[in-house]
Amino acid sequence: GAGVSQSPRYKVAKRGQDVALRCDPISGHVSLFWYQQALGQGPEFLTYFQNEAQLDKSGLPSDRFFAERPEGSVSTLKIQRTQQEDSAVYLCASSLAPRLADNEQFFGPGTRLTVL
Amino acid sequence: QKEVEQNSGPLSVPEGAIASLNCTYSDRGSQSFFWYRQYSGKSPELIMFIYSNGDKEDGRFTAQLNKASQYVSLLIRDSQPSDSATYLCAVMDSSYKLIFGSGTRLLVRP
Repeated sequence: GAGVSQSPRYKVAKRGQDVALRCDPISGHVSLFWYQQALGQGPEFLTYFQNEAQLDKSGLPSDRFFAERPEGSVSTLKIQRTQQEDSAVYLCASSLAPRLADNEQFFGPGTRLTVL
Repeated sequence: QKEVEQNSGPLSVPEGAIASLNCTYSDRGSQSFFWYRQYSGKSPELIMFIYSNGDKEDGRFTAQLNKASQYVSLLIRDSQPSDSATYLCAVMDSSYKLIFGSGTRLLVRP
């Protein structure tokens, strides 16, 4: 389909391992967001890209978290030296443009990360 | 105090009733408000957005915004068991990110 896709859907990592989560936004969408959703909570903002520029990374919980979108399309969220508290669903969302009329964010299915 | 507050529920209503979901927010300058529905194990999907004070209707759904009181609500008329889900209220801040509440779990009893 033409929606936001994410891979892998599920990831189990041993504590200390590095992981990389991929997001393919809707084609032509300028804005891309990463959110983290813990069990029973609402999504929490991690970082925002407009094209290839990372305009806001204020939500990244530590310097172990790194995100990139080098060509303004696919994005990767990398977590180094994973900890148990990193276990969550990582949601990617994209929107057409940061204008009021076009800023509906469409969410991907998420990657469920479990750190053992 | 969280920026967006919702009662966690569960809110239980019989089939055919009106479900009323409420949300308050702390940033008085907020301009855009969203209601997302999230089924268990699925990603959020947008139900409605509202920018102006007053009511906005779309089918069985009505969003209500009162900026003076800093609350936004969602009414679901003729509730169906398929409406059972978690409803997330979100506020868009000036840098376009969504700030979500923790969600209200709605149960519609057949």
